[in-house]
Amino acid sequence: GQNIDQPTEMTATEGAIVQINCTYQTSGFNGLFWYQQHAGEAPTFLSYNVLDGLEEKGRFSSFLSRSKGYSYLLLKELQMKDSASYLCAVYDSNYQLIWGAGTKLIIKP
Amino acid sequence: DVKVTQSSRYLVKRTGEKVFLECVQDMDHENMFWYRQDPGLGLRLIYFSYDVKMKEKGDIPEGYSVSREKKERFSLILESASTNQTSMYLCASNPDRASSYEQYFGPGTRLTVT
Repeated sequence: GQNIDQPTEMTATEGAIVQINCTYQTSGFNGLFWYQQHAGEAPTFLSYNVLDGLEEKGRFSSFLSRSKGYSYLLLKELQMKDSASYLCAVYDSNYQLIWGAGTKLIIKP
Repeated sequence: DVKVTQSSRYLVKRTGEKVFLECVQDMDHENMFWYRQDPGLGLRLIYFSYDVKMKEKGDIPEGYSVSREKKERFSLILESASTNQTSMYLCASNPDRASSYEQYFGPGTRLTVT
């Protein structure tokens, strides 16, 4: 079966750095997405990786290793507004998007 | 700016009622999707559509049907609502099938079935 694993919850301090991991086992791979979802709201797109390596976008970076079936989202200079759930999703060989259950990130002052 | 809208943010229905959830996108996207989201389970695909009048089952289609009569509109129908269909329902769209495009989401409908 297809599976995506993420930690259920993480806590970090305002101003710090946090890394959210995602491992996947899917039938084929056509790219990996990270989305942010604030409580009660819709997911919004953060990043997309299809090749190995690091993609940087401001305070957020996303890394992919296809051989290891592994990605992480790195958030720097954490702000209170970064408190949200972070969803990892993978396109399989049929371009069907497989979703992880999400990681709830709690930021403390 | 891509916009996906859903007909209701909150909905309360009784068991056995027929429920219609409407979704409209304004970016001429080919693909549209219906998901439900429950705590600890992540997003689960109910149905999707790659073109007008086309529909395909996702992972959990039982108890649901869909309609896509126009490109911009994708409706989810609960034929006879049950309490286990209480959930957050999210509609999404993206430009075309085999692409790297992200999905754009509507604001969601929180449905409660009593």
